[in-house]
Amino acid sequence: DTAVSQTPKYLVTQMGNDKSIKCEQNLGHDTMYWYKQDSKKFLKIMFSYNNKELIINETVPNRFSPKSPDKAHLNLHINSLELGDSAVYFCASSQQVGGGKETQYFGPGTRLLVL
Amino acid sequence: AQKITQTQPGMFVQEKEAVTLDCTYDTSDPSYGLFWYKQPSSGEMIFLIYQGSYDQQNATEGRYSLNFQKARKSANLVISASQLGDSAMYFCAMRELRGGATNKLIFGTGTLLAVQP
Repeated sequence: DTAVSQTPKYLVTQMGNDKSIKCEQNLGHDTMYWYKQDSKKFLKIMFSYNNKELIINETVPNRFSPKSPDKAHLNLHINSLELGDSAVYFCASSQQVGGGKETQYFGPGTRLLVL
Repeated sequence: AQKITQTQPGMFVQEKEAVTLDCTYDTSDPSYGLFWYKQPSSGEMIFLIYQGSYDQQNATEGRYSLNFQKARKSANLVISASQLGDSAMYFCAMRELRGGATNKLIFGTGTLLAVQP
């Protein structure tokens, strides 16, 4: 009954490879997000989609391409992986309810290590 | 620009005691929301509590309460009767709410709480 799920949980790969991380939410939310947590635990938003439409793109290198096939899914594809891409990537979702009370619920994270 | 500051990188507390985790924020927007999340060693991000800038009362959720002082721009998290399972990293986050605003959360750097038996 996981609300926000991500696969894989761990991803170890070589520099230069292309990889994807998948995210699914079963909460019926209309907005989904990708956040990156670096080695110092700092969390920063990367992308946000609302009803499959991109609404936030926070100056992320264009090697990162999100794709939302439907409201319940937001995948992250990364081309030409670099050492600095090593981090934990969190997917989150929320429901627009007005008044700013939209709570974002996070997935378990994907730990990416680029060698 | 929005900013969240958590000045305590780490804290200790004895089991069953209360602890306050500090959070100050900076925003020019009168409408905003403040959130606290817990990240245990297992890595997941768990939502704890929310405070809206126009809420008249401090938010409470079980053993968690938010000491919201709007004039000081602070939103400290108070955990009462600490338990060993409260040992985790705690993040304060803010979202501006102006019309048509994006939903992004701005996070602080976190406070690592260790509960001692």
